[in-house]
Parts: sequence; structure tokens; C-alpha cells
Amino acid sequence: GAVVSQHPSWVICKSGTSVKIECRSLDFQATTMFWYRQFPKQSLMLMATSNEGSKATYEQGVEKDKFLINHASLTLSTLTVTSAHPEDSSFYICSARGRTTYEQYFGPGTRLTVT
Amino acid sequence: GEDVEQSLFLSVREGDSSVINCTYTDSSSTYLYWYKQEPGAGLQLLTYIFSNMDMKQDQRLTVLLNKKDKHLSLRIADTQTGDSAIYFCAESGQGSGGYNKLIFGAGTRLAVHP
Repeated sequence: GAVVSQHPSWVICKSGTSVKIECRSLDFQATTMFWYRQFPKQSLMLMATSNEGSKATYEQGVEKDKFLINHASLTLSTLTVTSAHPEDSSFYICSARGRTTYEQYFGPGTRLTVT
Repeated sequence: GEDVEQSLFLSVREGDSSVINCTYTDSSSTYLYWYKQEPGAGLQLLTYIFSNMDMKQDQRLTVLLNKKDKHLSLRIADTQTGDSAIYFCAESGQGSGGYNKLIFGAGTRLAVHP
């Protein structure tokens, strides 16, 4: 099946710094990538959708200047959490979808802890 | 609006069948999905069903869809300890900008005991 990787899997940063998370599709071209966040024992909430070469579309309530998303190629999307605060601590999961399928393939997630 | 609801916890004995239930609100959903999440990991697609189907079986997994009641269930036959995980029901919906997105339930934590 299709494989999606995320890097790093776990990161701790200080309040006020920025953190970049990478999402890669390893064996297929991901025309669309999705970024979710998941709080402990809660469901996944979609943050934004990005198409390769286009600006990301953010869900209501998600600050686009805080969560910068770049989808520069068909295999890579990045999420940068700018000026991170402790309330940004969460599990961030990306997923990717190819051109001809509805199915989303999920990455293993990145746990961000802001101290 | 779009909403997906699931019971939060299910405990079963090893070897028994597990049934996880889900209700959704968006009758225009094209696909409905079941995902599995193990601790500290991402989501693994278990199975999905197209909205014009009533049932789908895949080895130990059976999905039943009652479109009239907007009710979806996942039955796991011969449940094993390795099935212990959180199971998410999801429906397809419209995201901002018209993109297709997934709307997840809160997840059902399945605990399998000897």
C-alpha cells in the first residue's frame, strides 16, 4: 500500500520558537495533502488542505499565519508552527491522496510539545 | 452540520465478536470509513463502504450501513488482543474551498481481554 512518512516523529521546543514538520509520500504522487491535529483522547480535526503548487485552504478557526503550510512538490508538504506556545502542543498527523483515488493515506504523526 | 458520533469504549473477551457503532449526519456522504489507530501511531484505513451499499465484508471485518438511519457499524469477528486500539468512523464531506475532507468521530477504544 501507499506509504506516508512524517519527520520528526517527536519534537520538544521552547515557547516562541518555530517548528517545521515534514510529510512525504514515499511511493506515490500526492496531489492533495491534509494536516490534522489530535488532542489526547480526542478525534482528528482537519486544519488545512493543500494541493501541490497552490496555497493551502484552511478550516474555519485555524490561523493561517500561525500554521504555515507549503506543498511545493508532489511528494512533500510541510507544516510550520510559528511562535509556538504551550497550547500548540498536540499530535499532528498528515495524510496524502493521489490523483485518482478518494483514499487518504496517513502518516504516523508528529508529537509536538512546547515548553 | 456535519457530525459523527461513536460510543467511546468497548470491552470484549478474546475470541468474541466486537461491534462498534457510529452515527453520522451528512446524508450526501459518498464514502464512509473505518480507521484503526494504535497508541502513538497514525491512522490505518481498515475498510470503507460506498454509500449505495448495505454491507461489505473483508475477512474478519463486516461493515453494515443503514443509510435511512445514518448508522454505520463495524463487526470484528474472533477478536484478538492485537485488535486492541482506537477505531474511528469517518464520513466524507466538503471542506473549505470545496475540497473533499474526512469528518471523524471521537473514536471507540476497544479493549480485548483474555
